[in-house]
Amino acid sequence: EDKVVQSPLSLVVHEGDTVTLNCSYEVTNFRSLLWYKQEKKAPTFLFMLTSSGIEKKSGRLSSILDKKELSSILNITATQTGDSAIYLCAVGSGAGSYQLTFGKGTKLSVIP
Amino acid sequence: SQTIHQWPATLVQPVGSPLSLECTVEGTSNPNLYWYRQAAGRGLQLLFYSVGIGQISSEVPQNLSASRPQDRQFILSSKKLLLSDSGFYLCAWTGRVYGYTFGSGTRLTVV
Repeated sequence: EDKVVQSPLSLVVHEGDTVTLNCSYEVTNFRSLLWYKQEKKAPTFLFMLTSSGIEKKSGRLSSILDKKELSSILNITATQTGDSAIYLCAVGSGAGSYQLTFGKGTKLSVIP
Repeated sequence: SQTIHQWPATLVQPVGSPLSLECTVEGTSNPNLYWYRQAAGRGLQLLFYSVGIGQISSEVPQNLSASRPQDRQFILSSKKLLLSDSGFYLCAWTGRVYGYTFGSGTRLTVV
C-alpha cells in the first residue's frame, strides 16, 4: 500500500522565521511528488517534482526531491501570517491512471 | 482554459438520506476524474477515479458510488448517508500534465 508521511503534523512559528516541512514516501511506480497549500477550501498547487536534486522555487517557497531517500522538503523563508495553512504532500503513482496519495498534512501557524 | 466546477459548496443532510454531488470539467476532453474525501484530522483519501465514460474504479469500499455519464461529468452518490460520510469532498481532474486541479469542494455534514 502506498504511503506518504509528513512531519511535523503541526508547527507554530513567529513571522520572519524560516520553516522546513518534511515528506517521506513509499510508493510503487513513483511518477511525481507534489506540494499543495490548503487554507479554507480546496488545495492549491505549489510545486511538482519529478527529478531528484533539482530545487523548485517560487518567491519565498522552495522544494527539493531526494529520490534516494524517498523524501522531499518544503522550505518557507521569512514567513508571514498569510502562510498559515495546511501544507499537503502528495505522491503521484500508477502505471495507468495517475493517482495521488496524500499525507495528512502539516498545519503551519504563523503568529505576528 | 480548463475549469472545474463542483456543487453544492455546502450540504447538510440527515442520516439515511440520499446524496448526489456533481462535478464538471470544461475546456478539455477525456480527462481523468477523481473524487477525494477529507475527513476531520485526516488526509485526503481517494474514493473513486475514472479514465473514461462509464469506467469507474473504487479505492475504498463504502456506501458511496460514482458514475460518469458524460466525458466531463463525474457524480458521487449515496443511497443512504451515514454519519461517517461527513467530510470535505473534492473532485479533481488531470490531463496531460502530471498534476491535479481540484474543484472548490463540498462540505458535507450528515446529522
